[in-house]
Amino acid sequence: GENVEQHPSTLSVQEGDSAVIKCTYSDSASNYFPWYKQELGKRPQLIIDIRSNVGEKKDQRIAVTLNKTAKHFSLHITETQPEDSAVYFCAARQNFNKFYFGSGTKLNVKP
Amino acid sequence: DAMVIQNPRYQVTQFGKPVTLSCSQTLNHNVMYWYQQKSSQAPKLLFHYYDKDFNNEADTPDNFQSRRPNTSFCFLDIRSPGLGDAAMYLCATSLRDAYTDTQYFGPGTRLTVL
Repeated sequence: GENVEQHPSTLSVQEGDSAVIKCTYSDSASNYFPWYKQELGKRPQLIIDIRSNVGEKKDQRIAVTLNKTAKHFSLHITETQPEDSAVYFCAARQNFNKFYFGSGTKLNVKP
Repeated sequence: DAMVIQNPRYQVTQFGKPVTLSCSQTLNHNVMYWYQQKSSQAPKLLFHYYDKDFNNEADTPDNFQSRRPNTSFCFLDIRSPGLGDAAMYLCATSLRDAYTDTQYFGPGTRLTVL
């Protein structure tokens, strides 16, 4: 099966700084990579995603990059705000249906 | 925002007493998932349905069963809950086709085992 590793496990940044979270995956057949934000006690919310035929995608302050050769993808958040504080999960989709999650990154944005 | 609905939102059961969690969706998605999420951990896939085809994860305990009587509903049955089964249970759906990928999560059911 797929193995998704995520780093760092915790990340603390000052408001206005950038935050980068990195994930690696093992199965070259994985073709879809979503990122979720989960606030305490709430459901994971999709914030951005990327398909394997694209190298980069951006949505306002959030961007995702994908390096298929190296099998890694990264989440970039610029101009961080306190409301960005949450746990972020990366995931990789294998076999069309199954999603495998990284272990999560707890992001703390200090005002 | 009520596209994937889970009931109840909070469930308290006693050790060994069977419990059923329910999930319904208005998206007409053909894939439904059940995840278990423990505190500070990633969601762990228990099983998923593609239409009526049931796919069990190899490490899902036999204590966990699932039913999908129709496209809209899916149930998670825990036959004899143990203390280690206390967790948030998340239902999710997706549409398997060539153009869409997004997985939608329900709000979750928090299970407490006494």
